[in-house]
Amino acid sequence: AQTVTQSQPEMSVQEAETVTLSCTYDTSESDYYLFWYKQPPSRQMILVIRQEAYKQQNATENRFSVNFQKAAKSFSLKISDSQLGDAAMYFCAYRSAGGKLQFGAGTQVVVTP
Amino acid sequence: GAGVSQSPSNKVTEKGKDVELRCDPISGHTALYWYRQSLGQGLEFLIYFQGNSAPDKSGLPSDRFSAERTGGSVSTLTIQRTQQEDSAVYLCASSLVAGKGQPQHFGDGTRLSIL
Repeated sequence: AQTVTQSQPEMSVQEAETVTLSCTYDTSESDYYLFWYKQPPSRQMILVIRQEAYKQQNATENRFSVNFQKAAKSFSLKISDSQLGDAAMYFCAYRSAGGKLQFGAGTQVVVTP
Repeated sequence: GAGVSQSPSNKVTEKGKDVELRCDPISGHTALYWYRQSLGQGLEFLIYFQGNSAPDKSGLPSDRFSAERTGGSVSTLTIQRTQQEDSAVYLCASSLVAGKGQPQHFGDGTRLSIL
């Protein structure tokens, strides 16, 4: 079974600064997908970025980028130029062959002016 | 609507009652998923449907939980004889297909409170 670990319950960052959220996972599969989702207080889970395990190039989406280290089973998210609207709970997720998502415990991002 | 729609937004019920939660996926999406988000357990997979295939029920916590998807579209999650530990936010998601790379789009969830 796959497990996803987010070791940082909370991270604080000042506006315009950069913050990195860590995520590690455990799997015996070679082909899989990884995702970062954002959940603001509104409850809706919003897809931030996704990474295909067979691609070596790290995914980027505007101010969001990942550092995917397949051998180390690590998938960190970097938020650059942080904005107040980035404040939310961030979940790392692993997608298994069956399609269901396995989530980490989440990291609360606090953005201070 | 353009997104996944869930109803009701909030539900309060007494212990022992049955509840039904509804999910209307994005039009054209063949895969539909149910997750539960609770303080103690985090986000857990419950069940998913892909087209006409038999659903993957591996995440359902007990036989009090069941779900159906009628006509390949709307899904209903039913919890019978509710218990206090069923209190949680129930999230529904849909994707074009259940392929690994297809992103899942989530609804706003139903907050269920069992008194």
